[in-house]
Amino acid sequence: QQQVKQSPQSLIVQKGGISIINCAYENTAFDYFPWYQQFPGKGPALLIAIRPDVSEKKEGRFTISFNKSAKQFSLHIMDSQPGDSATYFCAASSPGGGSYIPTFGRGTSLIVHP
Amino acid sequence: ETGVTQSPTHLIKTRGQQVTLRCSSQSGHNTVSWYQQALGQGPQFIFQYYREEENGRGNFPPRFSGLQFPNYSSELNVNALELDDSALYLCASSWTVNTEAFFGQGTRLTVV
Repeated sequence: QQQVKQSPQSLIVQKGGISIINCAYENTAFDYFPWYQQFPGKGPALLIAIRPDVSEKKEGRFTISFNKSAKQFSLHIMDSQPGDSATYFCAASSPGGGSYIPTFGRGTSLIVHP
Repeated sequence: ETGVTQSPTHLIKTRGQQVTLRCSSQSGHNTVSWYQQALGQGPQFIFQYYREEENGRGNFPPRFSGLQFPNYSSELNVNALELDDSALYLCASSWTVNTEAFFGQGTRLTVV
């Protein structure tokens, strides 16, 4: 059972465009939703995260939108740059339950053309 | 402050063999988690160690085992390797069990 569903699987965007990646979760116990960025040959690195008490969080060009009632959240990358080309994973966790053990989506491969 | 380091970076093993992967946690971190990332997939949780004790386990068979040492470094051992064990194995450390985890670069294991 896939607890965190991520789409699209791959995304191609022109430089300067907006990249949008969507995720949906099933477990209502999740209360922490991080996004990770992974470059080839590297481990995932935390990009931005949100808790369900807010509907949006913005850090620079990266924004998370969160819809608690729909159990959906999305990552928006504004003014996408070739250096943003990487695989992005959404995840969900319930650290309040005792342990930070994120459940990951399957990932989105983003290519930003110059 | 050093980050999470894993060794080796790449490894090739034969089916049926045993393998040990190593992880040095970030300075000050007492919790280590291991993940398996198959090609084109997200990381899957294997287990977590907190202060040398197993603190949670994912849906992996017993031939996946681990250790955490007094300095909080860790090992992942896999016995009776199968072809499907080929993956990137990631170690992540955190300050404690319910705080954000930081990942190492991973060990790429190929089973032939």
